[in-house]
Amino acid sequence: EAQVTQNPRYLITVTGKKLTVTCSQNMNHEYMSWYRQDPGLGLRQIYYSMNVEVTDKGDVPEGYKVSRKEKRNFPLILESPSPNQTSLYFCASSLSWQGTEKLFFGSGTQLSVL
Amino acid sequence: GDSVTQMEGPVTLSEEAFLTINCTYTATGYPSLFWYVQYPGEGLQLLLKATKADDKGSNKGFEATYRKETTSFHLEKGSVQVSDSAVYFCALTVWGDDKIIFGKGTRLHILP
Repeated sequence: EAQVTQNPRYLITVTGKKLTVTCSQNMNHEYMSWYRQDPGLGLRQIYYSMNVEVTDKGDVPEGYKVSRKEKRNFPLILESPSPNQTSLYFCASSLSWQGTEKLFFGSGTQLSVL
Repeated sequence: GDSVTQMEGPVTLSEEAFLTINCTYTATGYPSLFWYVQYPGEGLQLLLKATKADDKGSNKGFEATYRKETTSFHLEKGSVQVSDSAVYFCALTVWGDDKIIFGKGTRLHILP
């Protein structure tokens, strides 16, 4: 089944403890992206990747890191999480980026930073 | 910059009512327009899209027409069902830009 898989679904952590949210897609997609969803703000892009070894900042990249060593995986790293990073996070992918393709989303990761 | 504005929710309707969710956009180039839907506990999924002016996207009884003259892409459905309860996001991409811009989302509640 074609899908984007994120793990974990729920995560509670404390300020400053490094964490990684994994994202994997099995559709051989070139484009991958991370978003955070906050009440009243909708979805905001954190980072995106046009292909392996190519990543770029979105609208809200501060406090996050990403890597794209393999085509299928695009982990999101929080080196020193803070409470303002408490949010619902989504990974997404598409075949390529020409602006008209459908984005496939993962089921989300609800992160709470205490 | 490019942006999407959609009506604030929540929107509450009775089953079989007519639905309109307004969406207007601002874009410097030639946008493609999308509606995504998020069911409870799930990620977003594409509902419909239109890539040029006057195109109509449709899916699952929902429709939206790309109106360049009014810079709008309003979502409509003639008869909603309880299963349509979800959050709906209007979005755009502009050719040559590397990202998709989402509206803030509109929560829809359908009462039986």
